Amino acid sequence: DTGVSQDPRHKITKRGQNVTFRCDPISEHNRLYWYRQTLGQGPEFLTYFQNEAQLEKSRLLSDRFSAERPKGSFSTLEIQRTEQGDSAMYLCASSLVVGAGTEAFFGQGTRLTVV
Amino acid sequence: AQTVTQSQPEMSVQEAETVTLSCTYDTSESDYYLFWYKQPPSRQMILVIRQEAYKQQNATENRFSVNFQKAAKSFSLKISDSQLGDAAMYFCAPVQGAQKLVFGQGTRLTINP
Repeated sequence: DTGVSQDPRHKITKRGQNVTFRCDPISEHNRLYWYRQTLGQGPEFLTYFQNEAQLEKSRLLSDRFSAERPKGSFSTLEIQRTEQGDSAMYLCASSLVVGAGTEAFFGQGTRLTVV
Repeated sequence: AQTVTQSQPEMSVQEAETVTLSCTYDTSESDYYLFWYKQPPSRQMILVIRQEAYKQQNATENRFSVNFQKAAKSFSLKISDSQLGDAAMYFCAPVQGAQKLVFGQGTRLTINP
């Protein structure tokens, strides 16, 4: 399967713990995005990378959140000191941006539950 | 900031019938793209159809078509000959700035056999 893959698919953690999610984009895609989706809502933009550079972060991305994309390949999203409000589906998407209107390809997401 | 409104939280349609999902948005940009994405239960989001704002002709992809009214900032999705596999959450999403999608709240579509 050459689509976007995310790991783990599900994560249950206790409040206050740190968690890290991984996203492997489609090979050679230069853009990688992270979105957060809460139950019954549409995804909300968190951050995106152009190759290895993180070019934009949403106000939703508090200082407890950090994302990296070393070498412009896979990406990780870490949440420190998790809170119950962090419970959500975290979606990763990638695209090969050569112009406007490029399709983004999504992974199946990581569902985080903070207890 | 862009805002997107999908006023129909849920819709249902009989199999083989036609259904239209509505979407309105707000943007200050003159040229942009609009997307409809589909999110089936427990599966990843996939692109259904896209429209470039400067093109007046409405986009069509097989059974899926859009009614794009730029002045009204309206972008509805029509699904013809509905099939059971069309059951999903549908999200309208204009592209803002550097290709990041701004999603509406979604419409849950149920197909009745």
